Amino acid sequence: TQLLEQSPQFLSIQEGENLTVYCNSSSVFSSLQWYRQEPGEGPVLLVTVVTGGEVKKLKRLTFQFGDARKDSSLHITAAQPGDTGLYLCAGTPSGNTPLVFGKGTRLSVIA
Amino acid sequence: DTGVSQDPRHKITKRGQNVTFRCDPISEHNRLYWYRQTLGQGPEFLTYFQNEAQLEKSRLLSDRFSAERPKGSFSTLEIQRTEQGDSAMYLCASSLIPGQGRQVYGYTFGSGTRLTVV
Repeated sequence: TQLLEQSPQFLSIQEGENLTVYCNSSSVFSSLQWYRQEPGEGPVLLVTVVTGGEVKKLKRLTFQFGDARKDSSLHITAAQPGDTGLYLCAGTPSGNTPLVFGKGTRLSVIA
Repeated sequence: DTGVSQDPRHKITKRGQNVTFRCDPISEHNRLYWYRQTLGQGPEFLTYFQNEAQLEKSRLLSDRFSAERPKGSFSTLEIQRTEQGDSAMYLCASSLIPGQGRQVYGYTFGSGTRLTVV
């Protein structure tokens, strides 16, 4: 079973601070995705990374895929209360298999 | 298209009863997935379909769970003889089939069905 470990599990920060959350595995993934989930709703896709070392930016969010395609990070600059939610990483060992999800990082941004 | 729809949003049932959930995927999506999510956990894979064919079931899925996708459109997930441990959010997602040169498409999730077994 391909496991994705996310850290930290919980994070509470003040508005305007920067933060980084991590997604790690001992296995290689062909691609990784990041999702954000709000209470009572399904996850919403933020980004897909497919190439080792790839960096993608989405406004204040920066996503990086590790060179060996075993890990990924999500960096948020100047966090806002609207960033509050559960951030999930998900990967597939090959393009054809269903996504495996990590347990998520629950972020709370306090105004 | 209004996205992935799940019905009902909430279901409370007594232990031992059967329940059925419905998922309507995005019409252009050939793949449909069922996941289960409990408090403090990420979504856990249950099963998935490509068109009408059920391609994989999780080894964690007991025989009390069955899913169908007749005609490759909507899908149903049935749980027989529910147990308190079945209480969870059941998420449905759909996607396109990975094409040549592209490793994976993102999933579009529904809002889920929250099941409470009392």
